[in-house]
Amino acid sequence: AQSVTQPDIHITVSEGASLELRCNYSYGATPYLFWYVQSPGQGLQLLLKYFSGDTLVQGIKGFEAEFKRSQSSFNLRKPSVHWSDAAEYFCAVGEGGTGFQKLVFGTGTRLLVSP
Amino acid sequence: AAGVIQSPRHLIKEKRETATLKCYPIPRHDTVYWYQQGPGQDPQFLISFYEKMQSDKGSIPDRFSAQQFSDYHSELNMSSLELGDSALYFCASSLSGAGEKLFFGSGTQLSVL
Repeated sequence: AQSVTQPDIHITVSEGASLELRCNYSYGATPYLFWYVQSPGQGLQLLLKYFSGDTLVQGIKGFEAEFKRSQSSFNLRKPSVHWSDAAEYFCAVGEGGTGFQKLVFGTGTRLLVSP
Repeated sequence: AAGVIQSPRHLIKEKRETATLKCYPIPRHDTVYWYQQGPGQDPQFLISFYEKMQSDKGSIPDRFSAQQFSDYHSELNMSSLELGDSALYFCASSLSGAGEKLFFGSGTQLSVL
């Protein structure tokens, strides 16, 4: 079975500083990988996804993520964090083949942004 | 642009009561997924439907049932509610063939007292 690990429960970053959120997955084949963000009181919003091709993927809001097969990782990065980025971030793996049926989520990382 | 609509936004029930959560997918989306997110936990997949048929099943309790209707909206029915059912219930929709992109609703916050 697939699994996703986000080792950091909380991360605090100063506004304007760079950010990296870690994500490791367990899956036998090439995974479909996603990062979602959940702001308080809101639904999950897709930041970016990886299926194949270029291992560095660009997403919305200035986020990017790099797929590293050798490390089974898909870390999320942003060069300069804004206060509005404070939220819960979930890494997820898609199951079910090309028309994937469901997502397996990591436990999430809560990002706090300090002034 | 239209998004996934869930109703109600908040629901308070007592133990052993029943609850019905509704999900209206994005127009033309034919696939609906239900997720449960307990306090401080990651979302867990419950069940999904494609073209009104159940397409996959996750960790959904036997006390819960769901269906997708002809207009593609879905309802999650929960009976004999327990305190542990208190959670945020997300619905997501997608268009089959377009594959990967899920659009999530804002969720229904269920509190069981």
